[in-house]
Amino acid sequence: SQTIHQWPATLVQPVGSPLSLECTVEGTSNPNLYWYRQAAGRGLQLLFYSVGIGQISSEVPQNLSASRPQDRQFILSSKKLLLSDSGFYLCAWSGLATRIYEQYFGPGTRLTVT
Amino acid sequence: RKEVEQDPGPFNVPEGATVAFNCTYSNSASQSFFWYRQDCRKEPKLLMSVYSSGNEDGRFTAQLNRASQYISLLIRDSKLSDSATYLCVVNEFNNAGNMLTFGGGTRLMVKP
Repeated sequence: SQTIHQWPATLVQPVGSPLSLECTVEGTSNPNLYWYRQAAGRGLQLLFYSVGIGQISSEVPQNLSASRPQDRQFILSSKKLLLSDSGFYLCAWSGLATRIYEQYFGPGTRLTVT
Repeated sequence: RKEVEQDPGPFNVPEGATVAFNCTYSNSASQSFFWYRQDCRKEPKLLMSVYSSGNEDGRFTAQLNRASQYISLLIRDSKLSDSATYLCVVNEFNNAGNMLTFGGGTRLMVKP
């Protein structure tokens, strides 16, 4: 079976500090990978998606970036955090192992920028 | 206009009640439809995929009306554990891959 991991679970960072969030998927190959953000009381916003190693597409302009150094690893980064970057960051995957293009989410990272 | 619209609620219902959530979507090219459940401070979890003929899974029934671009979720015999936010999700598969658009969610609170 497939599992998706994210870490850390929670993070408190000062404004202007760097960020690195990691997501890994087990039990599948060549998954599509996604980063979402959910601000408090808001819906999910797609930030980045990747269909393969080194292939990253951005949905919204921002001070965040993403990388996919390995097939099942997806990293979300920032050089300098803003207060508005606070939120619940969710990684998701989909692929041939899922039905009808369903996406499955990791447990998320709750980021507070102070 | 939002791409996927839901009544945010909250819907406050007693245990055992039947409750229905509605959702409308704007992109007629959407191909697949889902309901996700999200508990407080947790990740969304897939509840049901919605098939064009409508489908049922225990106490949950999902229906799709492509002509009206409308999706519904019916929960029968509500349990306390059904309390959560229910997300209507619409999929479009294009050259870029599999994209999901999420509604803002409908909050359900089941009371004893």
